[in-house]
Amino acid sequence: DAMVIQNPRYQVTQFGKPVTLSCSQTLNHNVMYWYQQKSSQAPKLLFHYYDKDFNNEADTPDNFQSRRPNTSFCFLDIRSPGLGDAAMYLCATSEGGNEQFFGPGTRLTVL
Amino acid sequence: ILNVEQSPQSLHVQEGDSTNFTCSFPSSNFYALHWYRWETAKSPEALFVMTLNGDEKKKGRISATLNTKEGYSYLYIKGSQPEDSATYLCAFRSFRVKLIFGTGTRLQVFP
Repeated sequence: DAMVIQNPRYQVTQFGKPVTLSCSQTLNHNVMYWYQQKSSQAPKLLFHYYDKDFNNEADTPDNFQSRRPNTSFCFLDIRSPGLGDAAMYLCATSEGGNEQFFGPGTRLTVL
Repeated sequence: ILNVEQSPQSLHVQEGDSTNFTCSFPSSNFYALHWYRWETAKSPEALFVMTLNGDEKKKGRISATLNTKEGYSYLYIKGSQPEDSATYLCAFRSFRVKLIFGTGTRLQVFP
């Protein structure tokens, strides 16, 4: 089945230790998104790639970076995780501005 | 700042009960309203994409209505079943690809 895959599903890191979350898709969609969802809050868009064009949200901290080496893969890098970065991270894809398809998320714990 | 509100935050119903919840969104610059169902440990799954004022969509026992002039959408579940237990998220889209999510309504259906 065509889908959006996120690895790992659970990630534990230490305060200040860089961590990378990965997302891959078999849908061949041109847009890929990263959302952060903290407990009981709405998923919040961090950034998205429209093809190769990177679009950062104004309030996304500099600590968060992203890479999209090809159509299928997109990575979220957190350079120096703080306790406040513990959250569920959701990856999504879409073709243009159409319906978004989500992965199951990676739950990040920061010790 | 664009705000999407959902109510109630959580709902507990008995199997067989019908239920409904609300999503409020900005009434200006409207492009689409998305409803997602998010079961624990799974990917958020798209239920409906609604674009026209007065639109009503149905999928099995679940239906949704849209009022873009006053900025609200209702989601109805007829004869709730335990497998309907999930968080239901709505998301507002203006004329960019970005979705702005509400915090969701967590539904628990007891046998």
